Amino acid sequence: EAEVAQSPRYKITEKSQAVAFWCDPISGHATLYWYRQILGQGPELLVQFQDESVVDDSQLPKDRFSAERLKGVDSTLKIQPAELGDSAMYLCASSGGLADEQYFGPGTRLTVT
Amino acid sequence: AQRVTQPEKLLSVFKGAPVELKCNYSYSGSPELFWYVQYSRQRLQLLLRHISRESIKGFTADLNKGETSFHLKKPFAQEEDSAMYYCALDYNTDKLIFGTGTRLQVFP
Repeated sequence: EAEVAQSPRYKITEKSQAVAFWCDPISGHATLYWYRQILGQGPELLVQFQDESVVDDSQLPKDRFSAERLKGVDSTLKIQPAELGDSAMYLCASSGGLADEQYFGPGTRLTVT
Repeated sequence: AQRVTQPEKLLSVFKGAPVELKCNYSYSGSPELFWYVQYSRQRLQLLLRHISRESIKGFTADLNKGETSFHLKKPFAQEEDSAMYYCALDYNTDKLIFGTGTRLQVFP
């Protein structure tokens, strides 16, 4: 069964360093989402892609976060520089189209020291 | 602004007891609501959506627009139902806002 893949699963980095996360959606899924989940809270949408285009990045802290999906397939989320408050689980999800179910990846747990 | 509230962080019941996980929402438009579940060491997955009006694993949820609620119910809890449950609202074409989640513990 096809699944959303994410790597790395865990990342520890020091404050002010750069960090990047990778997501490979289910094949054929045009819509890709990045969420951030802080401990004790629900996932919060950071950015939504439709193919290679950003549909919504209104909640993405653009001074330090960037996201790309160059060929409309896999995607990278980058943080530079990382701050202590960025420690969280970063989830990627994909869906096949409007009103379709979102399928989540296993997440990348980031710890900033 | 849109908001999803899950008032209970933890709900503990014994096997065979009824379960109700509460979800209230705030949204000015026509709501589309979901329940997502995360079992231990598994990824977040869709449990059910209100437009489907179906029962999944014995769970049902009815949208009550008057009370702005979408509570998740199951008449007889099973140990395998122990998980984290999130209520979510689609507020703008597949953009979801999640509640803070309720951990359900079902004791034998």
